[in-house]
Amino acid sequence: DAGVIQSPRHEVTEMGQEVTLRCKPISGHNSLFWYRQTMMRGLELLIYFNNNVPIDDSGMPEDRFSAKMPNASFSTLKIQPSEPRDSAVYFCASSFEQGVWYGYTFGSGTRLTVV
Amino acid sequence: AQSVTQPDIHITVSEGASLELRCNYSYGATPYLFWYVQSPGQGLQLLLKYFSGDTLVQGIKGFEAEFKRSQSSFNLRKPSVHWSDAAEYFCAVARTPNDYKLSFGAGTTVTVRA
Repeated sequence: DAGVIQSPRHEVTEMGQEVTLRCKPISGHNSLFWYRQTMMRGLELLIYFNNNVPIDDSGMPEDRFSAKMPNASFSTLKIQPSEPRDSAVYFCASSFEQGVWYGYTFGSGTRLTVV
Repeated sequence: AQSVTQPDIHITVSEGASLELRCNYSYGATPYLFWYVQSPGQGLQLLLKYFSGDTLVQGIKGFEAEFKRSQSSFNLRKPSVHWSDAAEYFCAVARTPNDYKLSFGAGTTVTVRA
């Protein structure tokens, strides 16, 4: 099992550009989460998918952020246009079922820098 | 809403010494508590969790945690620290086992000196 795979590992982009972060969850996991980690705000849940359907997007900062899960093995988080304050580490995590009982497996993250 | 507080931002410990990381939770009902570890450049890994039963929970990598309802605490301990334990440690809480949302503390960075 390769774990949760995120790409790219690092992304540096200029303000105003579109950024797309990618995630491949563990095969068989039907819950997927996008988290953002910053020094100021710590770990924040951005969006939660269950069976490819967005269940809770209340953590998405604003309309510049969007997330999709077109199938069980792929998800994207898009920022358009990007701003310097979006600089953070973005984690994807997956779980076998809904519920913390099953535990979450995190990817290694994408470190985004917007200049 | 549930929340956790990790009072220590940074702890330095000598290799072979014991380690204790503090976590206090705020939640009216029975909390469901977790400790995660984040090694440099890596994602978070679950160390252990407490849902019910024995208040002393054993985890991976030789870690244990004790749930104390009277003190609203869930402190993480390790009797003898190895250099590879240098990492950031996060306490987290959920309302129920079926809840998908984890609320994380701010984290404690552990430095291990030789």
